[in-house]
Amino acid sequence: SQKIEQNSEALNIQEGKTATLTCNYTNYSPAYLQWYRQDPGRGPVFLLLIRENEKEKRKERLKVTFDTTLKQSLFHITASQPADSATYLCALRRGGSQGNLIFGKGTKLSVKP
Amino acid sequence: EAQVTQNPRYLITVTGKKLTVTCSQNMNHEYMSWYRQDPGLGLRQIYYSMNVEVTDKGDVPEGYKVSRKEKRNFPLILESPSPNQTSLYFCASKGQGEVPGELFFGEGSRLTVL
Repeated sequence: SQKIEQNSEALNIQEGKTATLTCNYTNYSPAYLQWYRQDPGRGPVFLLLIRENEKEKRKERLKVTFDTTLKQSLFHITASQPADSATYLCALRRGGSQGNLIFGKGTKLSVKP
Repeated sequence: EAQVTQNPRYLITVTGKKLTVTCSQNMNHEYMSWYRQDPGLGLRQIYYSMNVEVTDKGDVPEGYKVSRKEKRNFPLILESPSPNQTSLYFCASKGQGEVPGELFFGEGSRLTVL
């Protein structure tokens, strides 16, 4: 069956450092992958989408890579700030469906001042 | 303002008492979906709808019903709630024409079943 794994439940880093979050998937060849941010008690908010033919995507301090050989996406936040503290979710389109997403369990990022 | 609105945001109920969680979106989106989120299990899809009168099961549909009579509304119905349905529920929508489009989520409905 299709699986999405975000390797770390939690990641603690110091302000100003680069945070790197990992999303791995198995039994799957998604056409694209998405990353969302979720603050406590709130709904997830879309951040970035990267397609299978794109190696890298950037948006301000965010960078996402997509390696279809390794079946892995890396999500980077450069010059991290305490305001970046949140849970980050990766999502893939469910195989055989039209835009139906399944989500990883998320990585809780804490940025300490 | 583009938004997905869920009601109620918080609800405590008792086993067996039917309840409905409403979801409404103002973006004319074709696709709508319900998820539940539990600690350690992440977001799991309950039901989804590709358009009016078209609904399908997600990963955890047992104990839930949905309907899509109008494009903007997608209510989640718990006919006979049980304690294992205590969870944080999210409704989401997406424009079909923008596949792969971003999902817009509501603020969540925290349900406790005693």
